[in-house]
Amino acid sequence: AQKVTQAQTEISVVEKEDVTLDCVYETRDTTYYLFWYKQPPSGELVFLIRRNSFDEQNEISGRYSWNFQKSTSSFNFTITASQVVDSAVYFCALSGNNQGGKLIFGQGTELSVKP
Amino acid sequence: DSGVTQTPKHLITATGQRVTLRCSPRSGDLSVYWYQQSLDQGLQFLIHYYNGEERAKGNILERFSAQQFPDLHSELNLSSLELGDSALYFCASSPTELRSSYNSPLHFGNGTRLTVT
Repeated sequence: AQKVTQAQTEISVVEKEDVTLDCVYETRDTTYYLFWYKQPPSGELVFLIRRNSFDEQNEISGRYSWNFQKSTSSFNFTITASQVVDSAVYFCALSGNNQGGKLIFGQGTELSVKP
Repeated sequence: DSGVTQTPKHLITATGQRVTLRCSPRSGDLSVYWYQQSLDQGLQFLIHYYNGEERAKGNILERFSAQQFPDLHSELNLSSLELGDSALYFCASSPTELRSSYNSPLHFGNGTRLTVT
């Protein structure tokens, strides 16, 4: 079965704090992709990153970084020096090679960054 | 801007009614996916079309149906609406074929917010 778990329902931080959003996944597919999407208060879903199951290198993009650990089936997302504009719901998602391209989403983590 | 267009943005209707949600994928994208986002169920996959053909079904009710037209736009039809159908409905598209589509990020439209009263 395919499953994505985001155990943190809500996180509240003060601006400039670092924050890590956790994502744990389950899959039997040998090849799969993991994604993070951002959903700001305006409602749209914004693609942030894609990582394939063969590439465990961490990735950094500006204040964003992602840590993929296959051994623990985790794909965590860290925002460094958070800003108010980072306030949003963040979704981790999984797509396996036997799933026809559909994404399995976690329940999302609502991040609130206060000034 | 993702390039995926969904209309209308908002829809308010009564129970028992029928509505049609429309999606225009990004130029060149052959795959269209529909998702439903509700407070209790989260983001749920409904259905996938590729180049006009239905490819996969998820948790889609029998009262719901979809199709993808030759110009690749897609419509999601919701009938005999119930209060519980109130949700944000997203369309997403990707360019690739079914076999390799798992490795393409889905680009989502801004969604249609359906309110059933």
